Amino acid sequence: NAGVTQTPKFQVLKTGQSMTLQCAQDMNHNSMYWYRQDPGMGLRLIYYSASEGTTDKGEVPNGYNVSRLNKREFSLRLESAAPSQTSVYFCASSGTSGRNTQYFGPGTRLTVL
Amino acid sequence: AQTVTQSQPEMSVQEAETVTLSCTYDTSESNYYLFWYKQPPSRQMILVIRQEAYKQQNATENRFSVNFQKAAKSFSLKISDSQLGDTAMYFCAFMKPYSGNTPLVFGKGTRLSVIA
Repeated sequence: NAGVTQTPKFQVLKTGQSMTLQCAQDMNHNSMYWYRQDPGMGLRLIYYSASEGTTDKGEVPNGYNVSRLNKREFSLRLESAAPSQTSVYFCASSGTSGRNTQYFGPGTRLTVL
Repeated sequence: AQTVTQSQPEMSVQEAETVTLSCTYDTSESNYYLFWYKQPPSRQMILVIRQEAYKQQNATENRFSVNFQKAAKSFSLKISDSQLGDTAMYFCAFMKPYSGNTPLVFGKGTRLSVIA
C-alpha cells in the first residue's frame, strides 16, 4: 500500500497563476483533509471531506477550492495564487479502520513569487 | 473552539537522556483523542502516539510515553533514551469524538534537537 500520495512535491508559481494539488489514498478511507503548514504556525485546516461528494471549509479556506473526485482522490485548487499562499501543503485521510488516526502524505512545498 | 498550546518552541537533550515535551489544550468535550506527531527534516508527518480521553491509562509506544492529566487538560510526551533520529519537530494534536469528518487541531510545535 502506498498510503497517501501527493503530487507535485515542489512547485513554484507566479502571482496570479493557477494550479491543482493532487492527493490520493489507497486505504479505503472515507474522510480526507487538506492542511497548510507555515513556520511557527503548526498545521491549519483548509478544507475537508467527510465522504465522497461532500466538502466543508476549515480554518483557512479563502483562496482555495477543493474537489472530492471519488473516494480515493481529493484535490486542492488555487485559482489565482498569491504570495500569502506560499506554504507546505499536506493531504491526510482517516477512517474507522485506522482507529480514527489521520495518515499524512509527504507534502507539497509551494512557492508563489 | 478547541485550542492546543505547546509552550516550548525549542528544546535540546543529550543522547540517551530523557526529555519531556509539554502540551495543554482547551475543550468542553468530555471525550476526545489526543495525538503526538513527529516531523523529521524529511517533512513527513509520523504518528508517534495516541490517547483516548476515556482511558485513564497513559499510552506507551516503546521509548515514547505520555502523561495524560484530563482534569488539568495536559498531555505531555516523554522520550526515554533519546536517539539522534528523534531530532524533529513534534506536534501535539486534538480531535473531537470521531464522527467521520473530524479534523485535527494542532499546536504550533516544539523543535527537539538530540545532541551527541
